Amino acid sequence: DGGITQSPKYLFRKEGQNVTLSCEQNLNHDAMYWYRQDPGQGLRLIYYSQIVNDFQKGDIAEGYSVSREKKESFPLTVTSAQKNPTAFYLCASSIASGRINEQFFGPGTRLTVL
Amino acid sequence: GQQVMQIPQYQHVQEGEDFTTYCNSSTTLSNIQWYKQRPGGHPVFLIQLVKSGEVKKQKRLTFQFGEAKKNSSLHITATQTTDVGTYFCAASNAGGTSYGKLTFGQGTILTVHP
Repeated sequence: DGGITQSPKYLFRKEGQNVTLSCEQNLNHDAMYWYRQDPGQGLRLIYYSQIVNDFQKGDIAEGYSVSREKKESFPLTVTSAQKNPTAFYLCASSIASGRINEQFFGPGTRLTVL
Repeated sequence: GQQVMQIPQYQHVQEGEDFTTYCNSSTTLSNIQWYKQRPGGHPVFLIQLVKSGEVKKQKRLTFQFGEAKKNSSLHITATQTTDVGTYFCAASNAGGTSYGKLTFGQGTILTVHP
């Protein structure tokens, strides 16, 4: 059964701690994305990667870091430098080809920083 | 960066009424995609529009892309309770260098009263 998995669904952390959110896909997609969703603000792009070992900053990359060591995996670290980390985080993937393609989303991780 | 404005932010309708959400950009778009997010869920791709003036239909849903490729709309005829959710447009810039990068609108939250 192909798809994107994100774990855990809910995550609680203390202020000042780094936390890593996992994202795995078995769709054989080259491109992967991380979005943050806050009420009334839609989805905002944090980082994206078109190919293994390469990634680019999105619109709100400050306070976040990523790695893309494997095609299937694109973990996101929320660092203590992120001033307002409580949010719903969505990972997505798509085929990377000569045109813009639909993105497939994982179920999301709701992070709460106490 | 690119901005895509989506209105209205909220729409409450009686079951059977029609619903429309609009997306507008100040720049010419390469394409536009529409996603639906059910309450508590993740965004799911509905459709992609690429051509100027393009109109596509999916059962009760009609999608339009403006002649100037700067605006788009999603119209639902005779809403049903299953239409409840948040509808997002997502666009990529014409001639943009950030390949694969989508900018999402703020979303329109649709509630349907039976």
